[in-house]
Amino acid sequence: AQSVSQHNHHVILSEAASLELGCNYSYGGTVNLFWYVQYPGQHLQLLLKYFSGDPLVKGIKGFEAEFIKSKFSFNLRKPSVQWSDTAEYFCAVNAIDSSASKIIFGSGTRLSIRP
Amino acid sequence: DVKVTQSSRYLVKRTGEKVFLECVQDMDHENMFWYRQDPGLGLRLIYFSYDVKMKEKGDIPEGYSVSREKKERFSLILESASTNQTSMYLCASSLSHYYGYTFGSGTRLTVV
Repeated sequence: AQSVSQHNHHVILSEAASLELGCNYSYGGTVNLFWYVQYPGQHLQLLLKYFSGDPLVKGIKGFEAEFIKSKFSFNLRKPSVQWSDTAEYFCAVNAIDSSASKIIFGSGTRLSIRP
Repeated sequence: DVKVTQSSRYLVKRTGEKVFLECVQDMDHENMFWYRQDPGLGLRLIYFSYDVKMKEKGDIPEGYSVSREKKERFSLILESASTNQTSMYLCASSLSHYYGYTFGSGTRLTVV
């Protein structure tokens, strides 16, 4: 069965710092990959997604993620964070050739930005 | 935009009560999902459904059941609520896994 690991539980950065949140998954077949964001008091929103093609995916609000198949990773990056990026970030994977197609989420990374 | 509406934002129930959490989506999506969200555990899948009257167990179905009588509505049922079911419950729907999910705002359930 597929699983997703987010090793950073809580990341604290100052404004303008660069961000990289780690995400690793375990599944040997073809996957779709997602990053979701949950701002305080709001519902989960899709930040970006990878299906195929260019492994560098650009999402909303200046975020991007790189799919490295050999490392089973899909790390989220942003060159310069803002206070408004304070949120919880969830990596998710869907094994598209498994018998039951469903998205599995990681445990989340809480990002706190110091103004 | 797809809208996923969960009927209650906050609920407080007593141990042993039967609890219904309702979810409605307005875009004719076939796939609907119920997750619970707990700090440090992320989102865990309880049940999902690919079509009317169809249901599949997720990773943590114990103590829960679901009902999907109409395509737009997917209900989560706690047969006999217990304190360890205190959590945030999230409903989601999708046209296909290629598009990701659209989530509702969540229902924060407290069982006392």
